[in-house]
Amino acid sequence: DTAVSQTPKYLVTQMGNDKSIKCEQNLGHDTMYWYKQDSKKFLKIMFSYNNKELIINETVPNRFSPKSPDKAHLNLHINSLELGDSAVYFCASSQEPVLKQFFGPGTRLTVL
Amino acid sequence: DQQVKQNSPSLSVQEGRISILNCDYTNSMFDYFLWYKKYPAEGPTFLISISSIKDKNEDGRFTVFLNKSAKHLSLHIVPSQPGDSAVYFCAAARYGGSQGNLIFGKGTKLSVKP
Repeated sequence: DTAVSQTPKYLVTQMGNDKSIKCEQNLGHDTMYWYKQDSKKFLKIMFSYNNKELIINETVPNRFSPKSPDKAHLNLHINSLELGDSAVYFCASSQEPVLKQFFGPGTRLTVL
Repeated sequence: DQQVKQNSPSLSVQEGRISILNCDYTNSMFDYFLWYKKYPAEGPTFLISISSIKDKNEDGRFTVFLNKSAKHLSLHIVPSQPGDSAVYFCAAARYGGSQGNLIFGKGTKLSVKP
């Protein structure tokens, strides 16, 4: 059983397009996150979402928006994709904020 | 401005020997530290954590040491096995701070040779 799953695993798209990445966790966790791993391999938090409270990293452009239809899902929507958005995006979840987070397998986004 | 630094991008160790991975941090407000392991094309997996009230935490072959005065932590793997070959990320956070805001280092690639 996959604890944290993401779809798609690979996403190739053109500049200017709008795309979504889905994330689901079956661990019953209360907090979910989105991370970006850029070309320099840094893993940086983009959002955390807990009990309908969204914490946004201030460096994230507003073209990125997380949407949570329920506690088990946190999807990432990206509008007007740019070349610099190319990266691997990881979803994660934890029972409480900060405590050990379980990561999904990642989605490699390539913007052409 | 890197708050968590892993200055060794790679480390090569012989099977059966000890692997020591190092991590330094700059923010004295960090009070919770974690190590993650990552294989290619997979997400990071949690290995071990330590809070600032301790200086050592052990789990099987893995031990994390924390030196608060030096703002330094290290992960020891004894004995090292070929399956330990992966990228290891150090992460730090303020427990109770911005929800779940883990700050990651850049990672150290460990290669364990048979």
